[in-house]
Amino acid sequence: GAVVSQHPSRVICKSGTSVKIECRSLDFQATTMFWYRQFPKQSLMLMATSNEGSKATYEQGVEKDKFLINHASLTLSTLTVTSAHPEDSSFYICSARGPHPYRGLGEQYFGPGTRLTVT
Amino acid sequence: KNQVEQSPQSLIILEGKNCTLQCNYTVSPFSNLRWYKQDTGRGPVSLTIMTFSENTKSNGRYTATLDADTKQSSLHITASQLSDSASYICVVRENTGFQKLVFGTGTRLLVSP
Repeated sequence: GAVVSQHPSRVICKSGTSVKIECRSLDFQATTMFWYRQFPKQSLMLMATSNEGSKATYEQGVEKDKFLINHASLTLSTLTVTSAHPEDSSFYICSARGPHPYRGLGEQYFGPGTRLTVT
Repeated sequence: KNQVEQSPQSLIILEGKNCTLQCNYTVSPFSNLRWYKQDTGRGPVSLTIMTFSENTKSNGRYTATLDADTKQSSLHITASQLSDSASYICVVRENTGFQKLVFGTGTRLLVSP
């Protein structure tokens, strides 16, 4: 099956600093990538959707100036948490979707997640 | 509003026993339904995917069912193992232009020795 990787798997940063998380589709071209946030004992919450070469679309309540998303190529998307605060501590999961082999939109494949801790 | 509800919220079973997790959805139009297993601190991993016309699909000790008329799905785990301890998430894909995923809140399963 399709493989999606994330780097780093864990990161600890100080309050006020920025941290970048990378998401890569390893064996397919992802026309669309998604970023989710998951708090303990809760399900995944979609933060934003990005298409290669265009601006990301953010879900209601997600600050686009705080969570910068770049989808510069068909295999790489990055999420930068700017001026991080302890409340940004969470599990961030990316997902990548490629084209359907025959028509329409393909399935989404999830990365392994990145645990962000802001001290 | 498109929603996916799962029950129970959490479950504890003894190793070797079977269990069934439930998923009810109101998502329409419907494209497909997936069950994911998510280990603590890891991303979701797909177990099964079912389309409208499929009633049952198995993947090893995991068997998913789908009743598209009542909009219900179940995931049955046979002969549970300690490694089955995880959260199980039901996800329904909308059959719209954007193909949005609607996530259930998950069932946390603990298999005890």
